Amino acid sequence: GIQVEQSPPDLILQEGANSTLRCNFSDSVNNLQWFHQNPWGQLINLFYIPSGTKQNGRLSATTVATERYSLLYISSSQTTDSGVYFCAVHTGGFKTIFGAGTRLFVKA
Amino acid sequence: DAGVIQSPRHEVTEMGQEVTLRCKPISGHDYLFWYRQTMMRGLELLIYFNNNVPIDDSGMPEDRFSAKMPNASFSTLKIQPSEPRDSAVYFCASSSSTAYSYTFGSGTRLTVV
Repeated sequence: GIQVEQSPPDLILQEGANSTLRCNFSDSVNNLQWFHQNPWGQLINLFYIPSGTKQNGRLSATTVATERYSLLYISSSQTTDSGVYFCAVHTGGFKTIFGAGTRLFVKA
Repeated sequence: DAGVIQSPRHEVTEMGQEVTLRCKPISGHDYLFWYRQTMMRGLELLIYFNNNVPIDDSGMPEDRFSAKMPNASFSTLKIQPSEPRDSAVYFCASSSSTAYSYTFGSGTRLTVV
C-alpha cells in the first residue's frame, strides 16, 4: 500500500522561529490533508490541499502532487503551536492513511 | 453545531468483556470514519461508511471488532471480547464529500485490564 513519510520526527523551536515540515508519499493520491493534534489529544484539520498552495494566518501549505510531497510552513511559531502535525492522504475515495507525524515543541 | 460527539470519553473494562463505543457525526456529513491511535502504530483507519453503508473495513483488526451505522446520526464500534492489546484511543470522524470538511471527535480512551 501507499507509504506516507513525515520529517523531521521531532522538532524543538524557540518561540518566534519559522519551520518547515515535510510529507512524502509513495503513490498518486486523490487528496492530502494536514492535521494538528494538540497536547490534549484533539485533532484539528488544518488544510485540504491536493495541489498548489494555501495559507491560513501563520500557517501555509504547498503540495506538489507530481513530485509526491507536501510542505507545511509555520511562521513566527507560538507555544500554542506545540503538538503533533500529521499528514494524511486519501486513496481510492475517502480511504485515509496517516503519516507518523512530526512532534513539535515550541519553547517560550 | 456541537461537532462530532463520542461517548464515553474514558472506558476501563476487564479482559473478555464487551465494549461499545458510540459516535454522533455532524449533521449533513455523509462520511463517517473510525480510527484507532496507539503509540506503536499511530493513527489507523479501522472502517469508514458512506451514507450509512460500510465502504472499507480492511483496517478492522479481527473478527472481535464490528461497526454499525443504523442511521445518519449514529454509529457504534463494538469489541467482543476485549483484550489488553485493544487499549488505545478510538476516534470517530465525519466528513462531507461536497464541502471537504473533516472533523474528529474528542476520542474514547479505552483501557482493557
